[in-house]
Amino acid sequence: RKEVEQDPGPFNVPEGATVAFNCTYSNSASQSFFWYRQDCRKEPKLLMSVYSSGNEDGRFTAQLNRASQYISLLIRDSKLSDSATYLCVVKGATNKLIFGTGTLLAVQP
Amino acid sequence: SQTIHQWPATLVQPVGSPLSLECTVEGTSNPNLYWYRQAAGRGLQLLFYSVGIGQISSEVPQNLSASRPQDRQFILSSKKLLLSDSGFYLCAFSGTSVTGELFFGEGSRLTVL
Repeated sequence: RKEVEQDPGPFNVPEGATVAFNCTYSNSASQSFFWYRQDCRKEPKLLMSVYSSGNEDGRFTAQLNRASQYISLLIRDSKLSDSATYLCVVKGATNKLIFGTGTLLAVQP
Repeated sequence: SQTIHQWPATLVQPVGSPLSLECTVEGTSNPNLYWYRQAAGRGLQLLFYSVGIGQISSEVPQNLSASRPQDRQFILSSKKLLLSDSGFYLCAFSGTSVTGELFFGEGSRLTVL
């Protein structure tokens, strides 16, 4: 089983739609969780950290479910500029960040 | 503010040639530094990390090496490139937050022919 698993997509959604990504992780001792965004042929950039109580940043909401070992990212009112690959990242007990392979989102006009 | 830069951005090298990618960080001291590789259609693979000058930990066996000659400088090298070394190489440093998120350089795209 992979340490961090994501649905690779692609998710094709119209502008204005709400889309949700899920990610599961295998190590129950994982400490920190993040979502990164990666545009085509660019470096990953931190989108948001994921806190135990859940957190929101504008149109983006991240949630953590420790019991089921998954994290989620919800994007409301999708924009064309949201098209990118979204990487789920987990910091394990060894303090190293483990990256998922990413979920590709394509927002259509 | 903290910034990170790496170069070159793109390179095409023949099999068997040497490689040197360089990364520098500004605005912070004693950062944790990392080299990742992202192969086409695959996730980021941690290659090396460093917690201080001259301290390098290797994550996977390969024909690559890393060095940290100065506090904010991290170099990825190879004496003889293989076809399988092609990929997108990313340098990163840890932020000062206790959660330890990473911030990446712009990346170096290597094609070995």
